[in-house]
Amino acid sequence: KNQVEQSPQSLIILEGKNCTLQCNYTVSPFSNLRWYKQDTGRGPVSLTIMTFSENTKSNGRYTATLDADTKQSSLHITASQLSDSASYICVVSSLRYGNNRLAFGKGNQVVVIP
Amino acid sequence: DTAVSQTPKYLVTQMGNDKSIKCEQNLGHDTMYWYKQDSKKFLKIMFSYNNKELIINETVPNRFSPKSPDKAHLNLHINSLELGDSAVYFCASSQARGSEKLFFGSGTQLSVL
Repeated sequence: KNQVEQSPQSLIILEGKNCTLQCNYTVSPFSNLRWYKQDTGRGPVSLTIMTFSENTKSNGRYTATLDADTKQSSLHITASQLSDSASYICVVSSLRYGNNRLAFGKGNQVVVIP
Repeated sequence: DTAVSQTPKYLVTQMGNDKSIKCEQNLGHDTMYWYKQDSKKFLKIMFSYNNKELIINETVPNRFSPKSPDKAHLNLHINSLELGDSAVYFCASSQARGSEKLFFGSGTQLSVL
C-alpha cells in the first residue's frame, strides 16, 4: 500500500469554482509535506511546503493545510482558472538516519473547463 | 535560461537498442536524481547522486546505468531496452542532500516499440 494516498484521483470543475484536493499519508517520522503542480508535458513544480508546526499556508489562489495528528493535508484552489488544469502531487518527506526519503502520491488530476 | 534541462524530449526506439538521456542543471545544486513516471503518472525514484557520488539506487535493473561526470550533469544510459521501459523519465536536482524541494526537467518521453 502506498504511503501517500490522494483523492479524488481526478475531477472536472467549472472555471471560477473552488475545489479541494486531499492527501493522506502514513509516512513516519514526518519531516514535511510538499504539493507540486505538474502541467501536461512538463515536470512538477513546487507550490508549497508544510512543516510539522504549520496548519495553513497560501500561495496565491492555492491554500494548503496540514493536520499532522491525523496525517492529512489538503490543497484548496480558489476561483479556478483554465491554467489550473494539471496534476497535483503530494510528496511527504521522512527524515530517517540522517537521510531524507520522499514518498510520492499518485496525484490529483484536475481539469478546469470554461 | 532553463534550470534543469534534459534531452531528448522524445525518444522512440526498438526493443534491444541502447539509448542515453542527458541532463544538466545550472542551479549550482549538489544533488541530482532520475525519476520514472509510468502511464498512471506515478513518479518513482530511480537514482540519486550527490556531488557525483551515487547515494540512492532503488532496485533498478542493471540495464540502467547513471553517469555523473560532474555535479551539474547526470546522464542515464539504458541497455537492451524493453517494452516495459516505456515511460517518461524526469531528471531533477535539489540544493543539497536532504533538501526536499526538487527542481524537475521537462521530461523525456521514451517509447520502446
